[in-house]
Amino acid sequence: QSALTQPPSASGSPGQSVTISCTGTSSDVGGYNYVSWYQQHPGKGPKLMIYEVSKRPSGVPDRFSGSKSGNTASLTVSGLQTEDEADYYCASYAGSSSVFGTGTKVTVL
Amino acid sequence: EVQLVESGGGLVKPGGSLRLSCVASGFTFTNAWMHWVRQAPGKGLEWVGRIKRKTDGGTTDFAAPVRGRFTISGDDSINTFYLQMNSLKTEDTAVYYCETDDYGGAWGQGTLVTVSS
Repeated sequence: QSALTQPPSASGSPGQSVTISCTGTSSDVGGYNYVSWYQQHPGKGPKLMIYEVSKRPSGVPDRFSGSKSGNTASLTVSGLQTEDEADYYCASYAGSSSVFGTGTKVTVL
Repeated sequence: EVQLVESGGGLVKPGGSLRLSCVASGFTFTNAWMHWVRQAPGKGLEWVGRIKRKTDGGTTDFAAPVRGRFTISGDDSINTFYLQMNSLKTEDTAVYYCETDDYGGAWGQGTLVTVSS
């Protein structure tokens, strides 16, 4: 199972929006509505931000939203804040396994 | 509060074995899909394996690099599940996390496994 493809980096100024893509295949992202997104700050453990493509756990700001079209899922962070600067990873159910994305470093300019 | 706490990491020689533990609190782990995920130094997240909730069969699945060497089991009585790692290789060196997307999501703090002679 190959890693899902994410852009290495993304950036935006405070208040702007940034969208991160996560491209897989019909065997993972495209085949199931089980895509999750995680935020990881340096030296910290990951945190669940989005599950089942577009659902937000309690406590996650509604500035974070998820969507999917075909084999590509996306995470959008609206109204960027300095604390949003972190690494972001997508993950997808893939039948007999799961797979993570390559990770995207988001920089708040 | 949903919480996961790992333990059991350490230094082991290539070919050796190690068992990691993950204690769940705030929920019953057999009611959730529980995963092990690792992160090699300076690298991204890598899915290692999972155990499905009991109502989904309680079966396990593993990533290709660890299949046949790693197993997952659980002890309902102490709400703890384990990652048994055998025939360890230097490339297994990583911080290992247990996590679930259920119950609002939770990750442990991670435990470092170093495989080196």
